[in-house]
Amino acid sequence: QKEVEQNSGPLSVPEGAIASLNCTYSDRVSQSFFWYRQYSGKSPELIMSIYSNGDKEDGRFTAQLNKASQYVSLLIRDSQPSDSATYLCAVNRAESGKKSSGDKLTFGTGTRLAVRP
Amino acid sequence: KAGVTQTPRYLIKTRGQQVTLSCSPISGHRSVSWYQQTPGQGLQFLFEYFSETQRNKGNFPGRFSGRQFSNSRSEMNVSTLELGDSALYLCASSLNRGKNIQYFGAGTRLSVL
Repeated sequence: QKEVEQNSGPLSVPEGAIASLNCTYSDRVSQSFFWYRQYSGKSPELIMSIYSNGDKEDGRFTAQLNKASQYVSLLIRDSQPSDSATYLCAVNRAESGKKSSGDKLTFGTGTRLAVRP
Repeated sequence: KAGVTQTPRYLIKTRGQQVTLSCSPISGHRSVSWYQQTPGQGLQFLFEYFSETQRNKGNFPGRFSGRQFSNSRSEMNVSTLELGDSALYLCASSLNRGKNIQYFGAGTRLSVL
């Protein structure tokens, strides 16, 4: 089982629709969750971060976290062709008992989103 | 504020050679992490440095090494290059305070021939 799993896609949605991207993780002690967007040939760009159960909204983006079910999702409302990219889910796995475990992001393989005009 | 700067942007090397990549973090950021991205394996963590010390390490062979300087700039070195080392190498920096968020540089694309 992969540590962070995403459907590779492509996920194709029409312009203006809601795109729903999902991610599951295996390590229950994970405490920080991130969504990055990566355009072809470019580096990852942070879209959202979420740390506690529930929803977090930022503009057209909503991140949802459910630690009991070990999944995190990203909703993109009013999808635009410019949203077409690969979306990477990343998890920061805390080391048990250590106050400062540092930065060690584990990434999923990404979901490719295509928004049709 | 300037972002994470990686140099060089592109490199072509041959098998057996070694290579050094450089990363300057965002001003004030003290943690620097390195990742390898390939089409087959995706983004994989190499190592993280904080206060000139390696704090975390991924599952890569000893040919991959790094260091951090007192000004938080970091270098990574790959010795005895193999064809499979061809990848995009990404550096990310974070404040290391509270909910750490990593910001990525543009990357160095390494091709090993």
